[in-house]
Amino acid sequence: GDSVTQTEGLVTVTEGLPVKLNCTYQTTYLTIAFFWYVQYLNEAPQVLLKSSTDNKRTEHQGFHATLHKSSSSFHLQKSSAQLSDSALYYCALSVFSNTNKVVFGTGTRLQVLP
Amino acid sequence: EAAVTQSPRNKVAVTGGKVTLSCNQTNNHNNMYWYRQDTGHGLRLIHYSYGAGSTEKGDIPDGYKASRPSQENFSLILELATPSQTSVYFCASGGLGGPSQNTLYFGAGTRLSVL
Repeated sequence: GDSVTQTEGLVTVTEGLPVKLNCTYQTTYLTIAFFWYVQYLNEAPQVLLKSSTDNKRTEHQGFHATLHKSSSSFHLQKSSAQLSDSALYYCALSVFSNTNKVVFGTGTRLQVLP
Repeated sequence: EAAVTQSPRNKVAVTGGKVTLSCNQTNNHNNMYWYRQDTGHGLRLIHYSYGAGSTEKGDIPDGYKASRPSQENFSLILELATPSQTSVYFCASGGLGGPSQNTLYFGAGTRLSVL
């Protein structure tokens, strides 16, 4: 079946340093898109950025990600982490079919320390 | 701004009882989803729908039923609630036009405790 893997449950980084959250996937569908969602404490998840184009960099709010179909990855990166970035981050796979299934990874909690 | 409303926001149920979680969206989205969120498991898909009258099983449908009577409403039903169904439940809606258009908009969540 379709699946999304986020290997780190918790990532801790010092403010101002770069951060990378990993996301890989498995799917048999050819028409797909990927999303990163962010969930702040006691809030609902909200979209951070999305991409459906292979090897094209997508940016939003200082974060960026590039879909690499050759390695089945869509890692999230930021060059300088901020305290306000502390949150739970989800990678999600959306497939184009008659049912439009969306599958999430298990999430990575990002903790930015001063 | 897309609007998804869940009710109730908090629910305490007894084991073996019936629980209905409701979701309403005003975005005119075809797709609606029910997820549960548990530490260590992330957001797991229970049921989803691609239009009024349709329901599809997600990855963990056992013990849950879903109903989509209209474009706006999508319910999750626990016929015989069990303590293992204690969780936070999120409803979401998304648009059509291909997977890149299917940005999900989430409700505020329902915290369910089954005692």
